[in-house]
Amino acid sequence: GQNIDQPTEMTATEGAIVQINCTYQTSGFNGLFWYQQHAGEAPTFLSYNVLDGLEEKGRFSSFLSRSKGYSYLLLKELQMKDSASYLCAVPRGDSSYKLIFGSGTRLLVRP
Amino acid sequence: DVKVTQSSRYLVKRTGEKVFLECVQDMDHENMFWYRQDPGLGLRLIYFSYDVKMKEKGDIPEGYSVSREKKERFSLILESASTNQTSMYLCASSNIGRTTTDTQYFGPGTRLTVL
Repeated sequence: GQNIDQPTEMTATEGAIVQINCTYQTSGFNGLFWYQQHAGEAPTFLSYNVLDGLEEKGRFSSFLSRSKGYSYLLLKELQMKDSASYLCAVPRGDSSYKLIFGSGTRLLVRP
Repeated sequence: DVKVTQSSRYLVKRTGEKVFLECVQDMDHENMFWYRQDPGLGLRLIYFSYDVKMKEKGDIPEGYSVSREKKERFSLILESASTNQTSMYLCASSNIGRTTTDTQYFGPGTRLTVL
């Protein structure tokens, strides 16, 4: 079957670095997405990894290991506005158009 | 920039009412999706459409139907609203990826309360 696991909640301090992990099981791999969702708002696209390794985009980086079924999102120089839920998603085995989403990790950034 | 809009941000309906949620995208995307999002359950796919008049059931289609008469517009219909359909409803659209899955872009969501 297909499954995604993420921690439910994390807390970090402004200015620090935080790593949000995601493990997945999927039949056939076709990339992994990270989305950010502020409370009461729609998810917005952060990153897409299809090859192993780290992809950096400003303060945010995303890492993928296909052999381990593992990804993480790294947020550096945390700001208060980074308080949000972070959703990990992978395409379904039966259709690359449809995504399976994890339940999301709620990140709270404290001053 | 991709823009996905939804007809209402907040909606309150009574049990048994027929409810229409509309979604419009302006990027000529082939694929459109309806999800509902509930605490602890994440995003769950209700229906998916890959072309005009074409649709596929998602994971939780019971109690819902959809309509796609024009490429840019995808409607979700609750035939007879029930209290367990109180939720946040999110519409998304994506292009057909040439070699890999294309990114889904989301609308702002409609928070539906059924009394």
